[in-house]
Amino acid sequence: GESVGLHLPTLSVQEGDNSIINCAYSNSASDYFIWYKQESGKGPQFIIDIRSNMDKRQGQRVTVLLNKTVKHLSLQIAATQPGDSAVYFCAENTLPNAGGTSYGKLTFGQGTILTVHP
Amino acid sequence: GAVVSQHPSWVICKSGTSVKIECRSLDFQATTMFWYRQFPKQSLMLMATSNEGSKATYEQGVEKDKFLINHASLTLSTLTVTSAHPEDSSFYICSATISATGNSPLHFGNGTRLTVT
Repeated sequence: GESVGLHLPTLSVQEGDNSIINCAYSNSASDYFIWYKQESGKGPQFIIDIRSNMDKRQGQRVTVLLNKTVKHLSLQIAATQPGDSAVYFCAENTLPNAGGTSYGKLTFGQGTILTVHP
Repeated sequence: GAVVSQHPSWVICKSGTSVKIECRSLDFQATTMFWYRQFPKQSLMLMATSNEGSKATYEQGVEKDKFLINHASLTLSTLTVTSAHPEDSSFYICSATISATGNSPLHFGNGTRLTVT
């Protein structure tokens, strides 16, 4: 189901440091996971995705790790920059029920506020 | 890359009036569009799934008669908030995807900030 929280976790880092943002997901049947970045007043922006048959995937300055055993997802940002400051959400794709007409829905995690100090 | 356009980006309306929000996929045909609502400092909550040419599927607790969704073409879905009240003030975000299998990234619009006075 949806994740609702009144207080988003925060992470403050210095420019140039590496950042690690964690996410615990709930549905063991989910087979596709996405990290999104959301800046203030904007919609989520796709960062990187990973399928459940992988445990690591790398992009430009970002790496996603997936641990299906403990249902944990992490996003690593290398050499964090002030422009990386935003809210980061993990999302899991829930497979449709058999015979259903709509395909999988995206369920968002709680979100983490990343602040990068110059 | 896939672009999803949402209009308007913000709207202020009086209590009791209706507001229509448009979501367009600009360079691809979206078999499915999703509507989310986001309150300040909270995560995105899925409201409904909109499939072209069929009725929308609403999440539990979302009133289908209050949040009317129309998906008349593969590039346009609309959300109408009927008889809006101040508690409907929120950030409404749509997303769209090409894939019918669910295993492709959703592309999001930039959201619509609705304020009901």
